[in-house]
Amino acid sequence: SQQGEEDPQALSIQEGENATMNCSYKTSINNLQWYRQNSGRGLVHLILIRSNEREKHSGRLRVTLDTSKKSSSLLITASRAADTASYFCATAPGDKAGTALIFGKGTTLSVSS
Amino acid sequence: DARVTQTPRHKVTEMGQEVTMRCQPILGHNTVFWYRQTMMQGLELLAYFRNRAPLDDSGMPKDRFSAEMPDATLATLKIQPSEPRDSAVYFCASGQGHQPQHFGDGTRLSIL
Repeated sequence: SQQGEEDPQALSIQEGENATMNCSYKTSINNLQWYRQNSGRGLVHLILIRSNEREKHSGRLRVTLDTSKKSSSLLITASRAADTASYFCATAPGDKAGTALIFGKGTTLSVSS
Repeated sequence: DARVTQTPRHKVTEMGQEVTMRCQPILGHNTVFWYRQTMMQGLELLAYFRNRAPLDDSGMPKDRFSAEMPDATLATLKIQPSEPRDSAVYFCASGQGHQPQHFGDGTRLSIL
């Protein structure tokens, strides 16, 4: 069953604009991760934020986590055509290392030049 | 760069046939996951192994699906007999401890 739900389901922007995707989840988590999937490819890990962290940056990516609201957001700044992909949040429940992730259904981002 | 390798990349077969999908996890990773992706259901966990022992296969239809790790370098997912509703992309991923999972490029399966 889906743990995370991304919002919006689809997003179309112009190059240079920022893209914000949101994720909500249901149960307590150890960490939350964001992955990217290009068409016809596997998922690629982007960033991991632990349950005791509130914000994390990696290059043009910024992730926030609000455990009281059980929500996270992924911000991609100064988007490029190459950012066109589907983005998934995934939660790792509980405290055990290496447990299976629970994925949302993803946000499809389209960046046009 | 180390990567997870899945074979075949594409498989088309008729219903009732046996399908075997293979995965070579990244060397040193002790946990291997099988996921299935469809438009309707998204990404669903089928099964996962740690140190080659099955930890959870509750996502798999037990009557037709089976997953094994004959050795640390090979994981297999079999469907017998296959049905049209099994058409999906099947992903293998591997990981170690709290580290992120690394995904293969998947096997796109079509059952006619």
